[in-house]
Amino acid sequence: DAGITQSPRHKVTETGTPVTLRCHQTENHRYMYWYRQDPGHGLRLIHYSYGVKDTDKGEVSDGYSVSRSKTEDFLLTLESATSSQTSVYFCAISEGGAGELFFGEGSRLTVL
Amino acid sequence: ILNVEQSPQSLHVQEGDSTNFTCSFPSSNFYALHWYRWETAKSPEALFVMTLNGDEKKKGRISATLNTKEGYSYLYIKGSQPEDSATYLCATHSGAGSYQLTFGKGTKLSVIP
Repeated sequence: DAGITQSPRHKVTETGTPVTLRCHQTENHRYMYWYRQDPGHGLRLIHYSYGVKDTDKGEVSDGYSVSRSKTEDFLLTLESATSSQTSVYFCAISEGGAGELFFGEGSRLTVL
Repeated sequence: ILNVEQSPQSLHVQEGDSTNFTCSFPSSNFYALHWYRWETAKSPEALFVMTLNGDEKKKGRISATLNTKEGYSYLYIKGSQPEDSATYLCATHSGAGSYQLTFGKGTKLSVIP
């Protein structure tokens, strides 16, 4: 199994509070991604990174920011959580830009 | 945003039956097509990454074909087993060299013993 760890795995928070999800990899892969999974929508890309300090927006980036200060860590921040951001968040990594994705175990976030 | 369609949304088959599903995607600016298997309470796992028109890939009883000119891929499962029960996702990139992978909503397969 690819060495990908997401934390926290479960979090309940209140509307308006900041939340940070962490993705940590031990594979030294260049590319990292954050997806959210919602019923009826499948997996949707939030942000991705193609190197340290190199990030870009995905399909549903509004309300989210990311940072990657070192190869192994990719942080997803919700500056002010809203109920619409209640979801399961998956981190993924790939060695090449078109390579297969390896997914973390997911982080379930509930915003009350 | 790409439109990646998968059909059917779900299906139930008897153990031992063979089955197949379809993934449709825009044929212009094609880069690569991915298939993933997603078991309940687990994370998606890659089955195949296909790039060339006419590509055929096989892993055990599961195989896939790719037609980039008409924009579709088929996933076949021969002799379905209960452990094949999962959601099967396809995904494609939004353009040549793009890192953005757009997923379809998946086909949920249930294999009845």
